Amino acid sequence: KQEVTQIPAALSVPEGENLVLNCSFTDSAIYNLQWFRQDPGKGLTSLLLIQSSQREQTSGRLNASLDKSSGRSTLYIAASQPGDSATYLCAVKKGGGNKLTFGTGTQLKVEL
Amino acid sequence: DGGITQSPKYLFRKEGQNVTLSCEQNLNHDAMYWYRQDPGQGLRLIYYSQIVNDFQKGDIAEGYSVSREKKESFPLTVTSAQKNPTAFYLCASSLLQGTGYGYTFGSGTRLTVV
Repeated sequence: KQEVTQIPAALSVPEGENLVLNCSFTDSAIYNLQWFRQDPGKGLTSLLLIQSSQREQTSGRLNASLDKSSGRSTLYIAASQPGDSATYLCAVKKGGGNKLTFGTGTQLKVEL
Repeated sequence: DGGITQSPKYLFRKEGQNVTLSCEQNLNHDAMYWYRQDPGQGLRLIYYSQIVNDFQKGDIAEGYSVSREKKESFPLTVTSAQKNPTAFYLCASSLLQGTGYGYTFGSGTRLTVV
């Protein structure tokens, strides 16, 4: 059974700092990996999707990497801003199916 | 704009009542999903459907029922058999083919038992 772990569970950083969020998964036979952002009381917003054949994806200040063999992905946020404060979730889609398995998320707070 | 609409945003249920949560998408996605989110826990899959008139149980289907009569719609009924229904419910959709396509989520429905 696929298990997805996100470390740390919570993170507080000063504005402007570069930071890394970690996601690990136990079964490397994945189809793709998706990073989401969730604001309190809201739905999930997709940030980046990395296909199994890719190593990384970039969107603005966000960069996500994927190392399938080691079962790891990182989300790099450059020059963090208070508006980045949210919970970040990673999810993997297993090959041959369409269901996502989610991690429990990292709650990020960027302080002024 | 294409997207997923969940309604209502807030829902209150009395003990013993069945309630239905609505989910509609205009993305022409084949598959639709219902997840439950509780504080401190990851999202857990309730039901999913890959084609009209067909659906499968997820990890926590007991006490819930669904239907998929139209491609665009995937309503979830929380029955009186669900003993702890208070949670945040999220609907999602996706294409079935291709590694480059991910999930799109709705804005959620918060259900509270009163």
